[in-house]
Amino acid sequence: EVQLLESGGGLGQPGGSLRLSCAASGFTFSDYGMTWVRQAPGKGLEWVSLISGNGGNTDYADSVRGRFTISRDNSKNTLYLQMNSLRAEDTAIYYCAKHTSGSYRPSDYWGQGALVTVSS
Amino acid sequence: DIQMTQSPSSLSASVGDRVTITCRASQGISNYLAWYQQKPGKVPKLLIYAASTLQSGVPSRFSGSGSGTDFTLTISSLQPEDVATYYCQKYNTAPITFGPGTKVDIK
Repeated sequence: EVQLLESGGGLGQPGGSLRLSCAASGFTFSDYGMTWVRQAPGKGLEWVSLISGNGGNTDYADSVRGRFTISRDNSKNTLYLQMNSLRAEDTAIYYCAKHTSGSYRPSDYWGQGALVTVSS
Repeated sequence: DIQMTQSPSSLSASVGDRVTITCRASQGISNYLAWYQQKPGKVPKLLIYAASTLQSGVPSRFSGSGSGTDFTLTISSLQPEDVATYYCQKYNTAPITFGPGTKVDIK
């Protein structure tokens, strides 16, 4: 059974940093691209970043480019999102999601989400 | 960047009704279009990918069609458990983009 479990959410200061983790199980992690999607309170879905199975290809939404970094450790079956220079508008539930295959594919499994609140 | 729009933004229909949601891309995206269902307080669920391929385990009352810029999601017979917000997503290139969503409820 595919499972994705996010951790690391919480309260962050404006201008501060947080790191999200997503522990994956139930599939061969390195074979699949992964994505972070966020959802601000009461709003729609916003794609944040993606990474290929071997970590060699990454991409970002303009709203986070230069501030957020996606990475993965295939030996630990874990996906990361390093979030720096946090802004109030980064407040959202952050979901990690597994692609159906490579880098630019839909997401067939989603974690339960990690709430990030940016506030002083 | 390619923009995704959806219509209507919300709809109310009776149980058993046929429901159609439209998604439009500002440029052609071939068939790189997925549909997701998000029930209140729940995680998004993949319904359809490649515009018309039903994800495993999804009821056959859901179907998708379209190519290029215009796409539709159809629920052939609306059920109470279909109350949700539905999002389209284009995924062929970055930025991956979701539509704004269509909220479906029961009349």
